[in-house]
Amino acid sequence: QVQLVESGGGVVQPGGSLRLSCAASGFTFSSYGLHWVRQAPGKGLEWVTFIRFDGSNKYYADSVKGRFTISRDNSKSTLYLQMSSLRAEDTAVYYCAKDLTAYYDSSGYYSFFDYWGQGTLVTVSS
Amino acid sequence: EIVMTQSPATLSVSPGERATLSCRASQSVSSNLAWYQQKPGQAPRLLIYGASTRATGIPARFSGSGSGTEFILTISSLQSEDFAVYYCQQYNNWPPWTFGQGTKVEIK
Repeated sequence: QVQLVESGGGVVQPGGSLRLSCAASGFTFSSYGLHWVRQAPGKGLEWVTFIRFDGSNKYYADSVKGRFTISRDNSKSTLYLQMSSLRAEDTAVYYCAKDLTAYYDSSGYYSFFDYWGQGTLVTVSS
Repeated sequence: EIVMTQSPATLSVSPGERATLSCRASQSVSSNLAWYQQKPGQAPRLLIYGASTRATGIPARFSGSGSGTEFILTISSLQSEDFAVYYCQQYNNWPPWTFGQGTKVEIK
């Protein structure tokens, strides 16, 4: 069965850095894109970033662009999120989620999130 | 960016009753709409994709409908395990993938 296990969360001071990991199993890791989605305490879901199956394309929410970097190691079936210049508003549970392409057409492809990890909490506070 | 708006924010329903949740997109998303369920302390779980296709293992009491800008998630007869927060998400225009703010289904 598909498993996604996040790690690396913790407490960090404003302006600091942190690297999250997401270890995957139960599917062919190198064939699927992956996302990070976050949820601030008591709030809704916010998409953060996406990386294609081969790492060739990466996309970021405006709120994290230039501060966060997504990467993957297909040999280790592991997804990463390097976070820097952290702010209080980055405090959230960070989930990794597996991408599933619904279909392709002339405009591109359409995908949603079929499996999610349990999340790791990042707290940015002095 | 496509803005997704869900209503109501909270829905109070008795077990065994029907629940109807709404989701509206700021512009057409065709049928590229998914619904997720999230219970306290848990990760979201995919319920519906393509506006109306149930994900693997999702009970038939969950159904989705709509296209364009208006979508509905119906739970035909609420079970105790269905009390949770439900999110809609569009995947027609990305990035970003965008979610609604959620509807909490609580016990009446």
